[in-house]
Amino acid sequence: QVQLQESGPGLVKPSQTLSLTCTVSRGSLSSGSYYWSWLRQPAGQELEWIGRVYMSGHTNYNPSLQSRVTISIDTSQDQFSLKVNSVTAADTAVYYCARIFDVSGTGRYFDYWGQGALVTVSS
Amino acid sequence: QSALTQPASVSGSPGQSITISCTGTSSDVGGYKFVSWYQQHPGKAPKVMIYEVTKRPSGVSSRFSGSKSGSTASLTISGLQADDEAQYYCCSYAVNSFIYVCGTGTQVTVL
Repeated sequence: QVQLQESGPGLVKPSQTLSLTCTVSRGSLSSGSYYWSWLRQPAGQELEWIGRVYMSGHTNYNPSLQSRVTISIDTSQDQFSLKVNSVTAADTAVYYCARIFDVSGTGRYFDYWGQGALVTVSS
Repeated sequence: QSALTQPASVSGSPGQSITISCTGTSSDVGGYKFVSWYQQHPGKAPKVMIYEVTKRPSGVSSRFSGSKSGSTASLTISGLQADDEAQYYCCSYAVNSFIYVCGTGTQVTVL
């Protein structure tokens, strides 16, 4: 069973950069059948898709966040990462990493998720 | 890209059936077959219940079913059980813009 685990600081100061890493076990980031994604959920609010990365490093982002977000992948370490620049209190949320099942243009859904990491933006 | 619209809450008695709607546009829900549904219990990560509008992953109860008409997708839970009480989200992949958009979420309450 594939497992994903988020890690990173739980507290970030306003205007600084939020950085999170997702470590994948029992699954290969080098498989062409999957994308690797980040989503977030402010307390009591809806899920928001942040973006995704493919094994090649190709990325797609939510247009509303694109100017501040970078997602990268390190297949040798079985990790992918998220950076959000110039954070404000509105970026306070539980951040989830997830795998997207996408085999030859079928599926395209989030099949495995991490447990989530709470990141609070506060001085 | 705006969030997909879901009712804030739906309730039903044990054994009954309920349906949750998810309304988007022709650019997302209405344009493609890539609608998925997720169940989220408090403090837990979401779990996929339906993908590609109607398909159930292995291990998901047949009491969960999905459908779509135009730009509105629906999730039906039949034979409602206490453990079905949770938050439910729809998500759609927009092929032409390579992005995902998720719904506003629906709280299902078992009376």
